[in-house]
Amino acid sequence: GDSVTQMEGPVTLSEEAFLTINCTYTATGYPSLFWYVQYPGEGLQLLLKATKADDKGSNKGFEATYRKETTSFHLEKGSVQVSDSAVYFCAQRGAQKLVFGQGTRLTINP
Amino acid sequence: DAGVIQSPRHEVTEMGQEVTLRCKPISGHDYLFWYRQTMMRGLELLIYFNNNVPIDDSGMPEDRFSAKMPNASFSTLKIQPSEPRDSAVYFCASSSSVDEQFFGPGTRLTVL
Repeated sequence: GDSVTQMEGPVTLSEEAFLTINCTYTATGYPSLFWYVQYPGEGLQLLLKATKADDKGSNKGFEATYRKETTSFHLEKGSVQVSDSAVYFCAQRGAQKLVFGQGTRLTINP
Repeated sequence: DAGVIQSPRHEVTEMGQEVTLRCKPISGHDYLFWYRQTMMRGLELLIYFNNNVPIDDSGMPEDRFSAKMPNASFSTLKIQPSEPRDSAVYFCASSSSVDEQFFGPGTRLTVL
């Protein structure tokens, strides 16, 4: 069945470091892909999305490119800030619902 | 818009008691989702509604859990009787499509 696998966390980086959080998916066809972010004490919110192969989603300095060859949608940011500390969820669109990965906790130290 | 509203924000109850969680979706959204989040199991979809009709309740853990959506602006998730293993954060989300879901702030449930 459809599934999403994310990089194990937690991830701890220093401010201004480069960030990559890996995400791969299994699905029949080419589903839309998403990154959601959950800040402490809040619900999830959509960070970015890509609807077809080779699309790049971007928002708030984060980027992810839909790679059908490697079935991946890795999240990247060139220079992280303390305010980026959160849990990040990769997701794909399944049949009438989203299928989420397990989440990756990111902590940025000043 | 006020966003998705959930109440209560925190609930502490004793094992065996009935618990009711409430959700008001964003006006105009016709999808409503209930999720449960725990450290051990991550984020789990419990049930979702489309136009007030339950579409998929395969994630509801057992008969102690039930959900209703009597109208477009209100939904409840009920646990009766509650057990300590039900302790979690419960999120409600709404959307006008499956893709961009808007999550509420969650209800943190503790069952003693």
